[in-house]
Parts: sequence; C-alpha cells; structure tokens
Amino acid sequence: DAGVTQSPTHLIKTRGQQVTLRCSPKSGHDTVSWYQQALGQGPQFIFQYYEEEERQRGNFPDRFSGHQFPNYSSELNVNALLLGDSALYLCASSRKTTATNEKLFFGSGTQLSVL
Amino acid sequence: QKEVEQDPGPLSVPEGAIVSLNCTYSNSAFQYFMWYRQYSRKGPELLMYTYSSGNKEDGRFTAQVDKSSKYISLFIRDSQPSDSATYLCAMRAAGNKLTFGGGTRVLVKP
Repeated sequence: DAGVTQSPTHLIKTRGQQVTLRCSPKSGHDTVSWYQQALGQGPQFIFQYYEEEERQRGNFPDRFSGHQFPNYSSELNVNALLLGDSALYLCASSRKTTATNEKLFFGSGTQLSVL
Repeated sequence: QKEVEQDPGPLSVPEGAIVSLNCTYSNSAFQYFMWYRQYSRKGPELLMYTYSSGNKEDGRFTAQVDKSSKYISLFIRDSQPSDSATYLCAMRAAGNKLTFGGGTRVLVKP
C-alpha cells in the first residue's frame, strides 16, 4: 500500500521564480493538506483541499496557491519566491468521513532552497 | 506567545531509560491531540492519537492529556537508539488544521 508520495524530493530555485510541488495521497484518501516546515521548527498549515476546492487556509499570502485533481492528487504553487520560502514542504492526506477523528499521514516532503 | 509550546531539547537519555516529553497549549478549543515522530529529512510519522483528556497506551508508548491544565505528555519506555528522532506534538479543534509544537530532539545513547 503506497503511502503519501511527493515530488520532487529536492529543488533549488532563485528569488522571484515560481515553483510547483506535487503530491499523491495515500490510497483511499481524498483530502490533501500542505504544510511548510522551516529548519528547526514545527510544520505550519498552508491549506487543505477536498473535492477539488480549497476548504481551509492558514496564514500564508496569496503567492501560495494550490489545486486538487479528480484523482485526489494535488499541487502546491508558490510565485515570486523569497529567501524565506526555503523550507521542507509537507503534504498530508486523510480520508474525509462523517466522524471528526481524521488522521493525517505525511509524505517525506520536498526540500525547497531559494537562493 | 505560540499556541503550542514544546521544549526543543535536545533530550539525551541512556538506552533503556524512559523518555518523557510534553507540550503546553493555550487554545481551549483543541480536542484532538497527536504525537508524531520525525527522522532527519523525513516526514512526520503518526505515533499516538488521543481525543480529549485521558491516557492511551500503545506498546512502549503512553500518551496523556490533561485538558484542565492544557498539558499533554508522551512517555517512551525501554528507549532504543532507533527512537532517536524529533518528536512533535500536534493538536486541532473541530476542523482539520493541525497546530504543531516546535518539536523536541531526542537522543538515545547505546
């Protein structure tokens, strides 16, 4: 059973460029969330996608946008990259149920370096 | 002040000792509490999941939640060198967004 997969694993960009990160959720999961983890810190919630729509958003600027496809996979796009965007970007998937005890499973992340 | 506070460590213990980790939080709306383990350059792995106050045990791991004190703990018995990692507490209210602590780095020495 494949877990959450993310690509690429590493990425180097320069300031002002744009980047797209990709995520395939765990089998049977339909909800994808994205988190940003700076070095030495805990992950910070960016946004969540369910049924191809953004359902919840954290405190991130509009430069951060996303998309979810009919097969539940997702993309995270970041425009006009800043040095401070350098971080590990984590994708987490879960299965939306009528219960509220959704459990999130994380991928290994994409390490983004902005020079 | 951060919503979730966690001592960054590092916490160094000898093999076989009990590892004790904790987090405090300020948001009384948090109802679901989790502990994740994260190895270097890897994503967080869910260890324990607890709803509301109480204790939960799973193998060598015990999670405790005290909502009245806004305090959660994780205990690891019979610690092994393979337990060396960063441990993240996480919690959420009714929605799906997780709020994480900053993580505690644990070193278990053989």
